[in-house]
Amino acid sequence: ETGVTQTPRHLVMGMTNKKSLKCEQHLGHNAMYWYKQSAKKPLELMFVYNFKEQTENNSVPSRFSPECPNSSHLFLHLHTLQPEDSALYLCASSQVGGALKEQYFGPGTRLTVT
Amino acid sequence: SQQGEEDPQALSIQEGENATMNCSYKTSINNLQWYRQNSGRGLVHLILIRSNEREKHSGRLRVTLDTSKKSSSLLITASRAADTASYFCATDAGTSYDKVIFGPGTSLSVIP
Repeated sequence: ETGVTQTPRHLVMGMTNKKSLKCEQHLGHNAMYWYKQSAKKPLELMFVYNFKEQTENNSVPSRFSPECPNSSHLFLHLHTLQPEDSALYLCASSQVGGALKEQYFGPGTRLTVT
Repeated sequence: SQQGEEDPQALSIQEGENATMNCSYKTSINNLQWYRQNSGRGLVHLILIRSNEREKHSGRLRVTLDTSKKSSSLLITASRAADTASYFCATDAGTSYDKVIFGPGTSLSVIP
């Protein structure tokens, strides 16, 4: 248990569906992250939020829409996804300020787009 | 382009043996981190080494950093079957304080 929870753990959705992934951290950190992990590919950073402000959007398609209402919660809204978006989506949090410290990851959401 | 790359991509050893994984990176860094990921799960932070450090230990883990060669190694001594996982290095790319870049990872199999 890392102090970062993600729901749901598994999600199957059609290409026309709209769904949301939720992440919550109980560590008092000020930064949160979304990563995508596809088979046989490196971990891809998608979005970074620092004190609720988005500081990184790594050329992510607009069908992925992040939301960070406060420093403890992070959402990833999904709509009109493609089969190649099937992957493990990981949320992480960290305390930033000065040198970067370690990131704490949630268990991930396994997304399958049919 | 990736900041860090691990070598080898896959490693299979017998229980009790030592496992060594290497990581190379391209630009200057403030620190380098190693993470472990069990199949289909989130990553777990193992150890962080700063750019002014050359070696760091944590239990059965030993990490070295050579900034002149832009490389790091992770040594797991007396491996156990439970060490079977993927191992990733991550660097902060030197200029960013709130993100890291992960390498593609080394898949370690420890055979009982």
